[in-house]
Amino acid sequence: DTAVSQTPKYLVTQMGNDKSIKCEQNLGHDTMYWYKQDSKKFLKIMFSYNNKELIINETVPNRFSPKSPDKAHLNLHINSLELGDSAVYFCASSPGLAKNIQYFGAGTRLSVL
Amino acid sequence: GEDVEQSLFLSVREGDSSVINCTYTDSSSTYLYWYKQEPGAGLQLLTYIFSNMDMKQDQRLTVLLNKKDKHLSLRIADTQTGDSAIYFCAEDGDDKIIFGKGTRLHILP
Repeated sequence: DTAVSQTPKYLVTQMGNDKSIKCEQNLGHDTMYWYKQDSKKFLKIMFSYNNKELIINETVPNRFSPKSPDKAHLNLHINSLELGDSAVYFCASSPGLAKNIQYFGAGTRLSVL
Repeated sequence: GEDVEQSLFLSVREGDSSVINCTYTDSSSTYLYWYKQEPGAGLQLLTYIFSNMDMKQDQRLTVLLNKKDKHLSLRIADTQTGDSAIYFCAEDGDDKIIFGKGTRLHILP
């Protein structure tokens, strides 16, 4: 009964490919996020969605396209993968936009070869 | 702008107390948080403090908040090997949580 689940856990792919990472939360939260954690473990927010509406887009290349079919799901599609996209991607959710605890998924480790 | 700073590494002997420090910039933050990330896992909320409090204690964890200096600390008493992790300080931003770069806590035998 994982609260925030993301798949796959590991993703190894070639440069230039297109891939998707899926995220689902069963907490009934309104807000979902995507974060990127680099090799130094620095965490950077990429996107947030509130009730399926894009709220934050932190100057992420437009090769990254989030999609929220409903408020329990926020998927991340990445086109034309580059070596620099290799990182761990975390999905998170919270009850609302601000002043709220965020709950994180276990992460998807993306390796671009 | 909003920013959270913390040192990147801390080594502590098993059984000693660990103190992880953090400074933040947004004086309007309502909550300040400590998240823990164990190897290969996502971030988990460890504890948080409401901005009108000076201190919060929860078993081995003590959070101290100095709002005037915008300084937050996390003290872990009787540090155990299971406490080895990265600890992220975070503050409320306008529409997101701002995370520090994380302090990697290493436990010495």
